[in-house]
This record gives sequence, structure tokens and C-alpha cells, in this order.
Amino acid sequence: AQTVTQSQPEMSVQEAETVTLSCTYDTSESDYYLFWYKQPPSRQMILVIRQEAYKQQNATENRFSVNFQKAAKSFSLKISDSQLGDAAMYFCAYRAYTGTASKLTFGTGTRLQVTL
Amino acid sequence: DSGVTQTPKHLITATGQRVTLRCSPRSGDLSVYWYQQSLDQGLQFLIQYYNGEERAKGNILERFSAQQFPDLHSELNLSSLELGDSALYFCASSELAGPNTGELFFGEGSRLTVL
Repeated sequence: AQTVTQSQPEMSVQEAETVTLSCTYDTSESDYYLFWYKQPPSRQMILVIRQEAYKQQNATENRFSVNFQKAAKSFSLKISDSQLGDAAMYFCAYRAYTGTASKLTFGTGTRLQVTL
Repeated sequence: DSGVTQTPKHLITATGQRVTLRCSPRSGDLSVYWYQQSLDQGLQFLIQYYNGEERAKGNILERFSAQQFPDLHSELNLSSLELGDSALYFCASSELAGPNTGELFFGEGSRLTVL
């Protein structure tokens, strides 16, 4: 079974600084998707960034980028120029690249605080 | 707005009762997923339907059941409710092909409080 591990329950970053959230996963599949979701206090699940395992290039979305290390099964999220609005729970998630039956497996989350 | 609609947004009920949560997926999405998020916990997968058929099951309690109807909306039924069932229940949908393949689109959740 696939598992996703986020070893940092809480992280803190100063406004305008950079922070990296860690995620590792375990799978025997070769094709899959990886995601980072943000959950602000409103509890809505917001997709931050996605990565297809077959792509060697790391995904980037504005201030958000990932470091995808397929051999190490590592998928970290870097947030640059942190803003107060980045404060939220961040979940790493895995989804196998299969057909119609493929759930999203989440890590336990990292709570990010942004301080002035 | 993800395009996934969940009702009700909030629900307060008593132990032993039964409730039904409803989800309308994004237009064209055939897959519907249900997740449970207890307070300060991660999201636990409950069940997935694809075009009306059950496709995957997680740690869903026997007191819980779900179905997906011909119009693709889905309902999650929770019965004999216990205090520990208090949680945020998310519905998500996904497309089989297209530019967003792989991504799950989440509704805003239904917050269930069992007293």
C-alpha cells in the first residue's frame, strides 16, 4: 500500500523568507502523481502544485516549487517570499497513475506559521 | 470555486441518528471520492465511485454507506452516529482524461457535529 509521510508537524517562517516542507512516500508504482494541497483556516482544500512522476523537471507555480527526487521517493515543497496568506496546513498527497480506481493518499500534514 | 458542490455545509445532530450528505461533482467528472477529516487530522479516504459503480474502499465503517446516482451525484449515509463521527466530510471529483487528469477537485466539505 502506498504511504505518504510528512515528518514536520509544524514549521514557522518569517514573512519574505523561504521555507521548505518535506514529504516522502512509498510506492511500487512507476507512474504516479504527487501533489501539495493547502488547507487554510476555512478548511477548503486548495491545490498548490502537482508533479507527474514521468517528468524530470521540477514543477513550479509562482512562489511555489518542488524538489522531486524519484529515486529517493522525496517530494519537498519550497515556498519563496513567504506571505501571511501562506499560513495554513499543507498536505502532501500521492495518486497512482491508473485508470478509474485511484484514490489520493494524504500525509498527516504540516502546519505552517508565518510571522512578521 | 472547484465546481464540486456539497450540502449541507453544517449539520448538528444527536448520537444514534442518521444523516445524509450530498455531493454534486464537477460537470463531466465521472469519479466521486469521499474523505473524512477529524479535528486536526489528515484526510482519510472512505470510498470512491466511478460512473455509478463502487471502485475503491478505504476504512469506511459498516455504519456508513454511499452511492452514486445516474446523474452522477453521490450521497454518503451515516447511521447510528457516535460522538467520534464528528468531522469534516469532503467530496471530491476527478476527470478521466484532459488537462487536469490526476487532480482531485474538492468541495468545501460538510461539517458534521454529533452531540
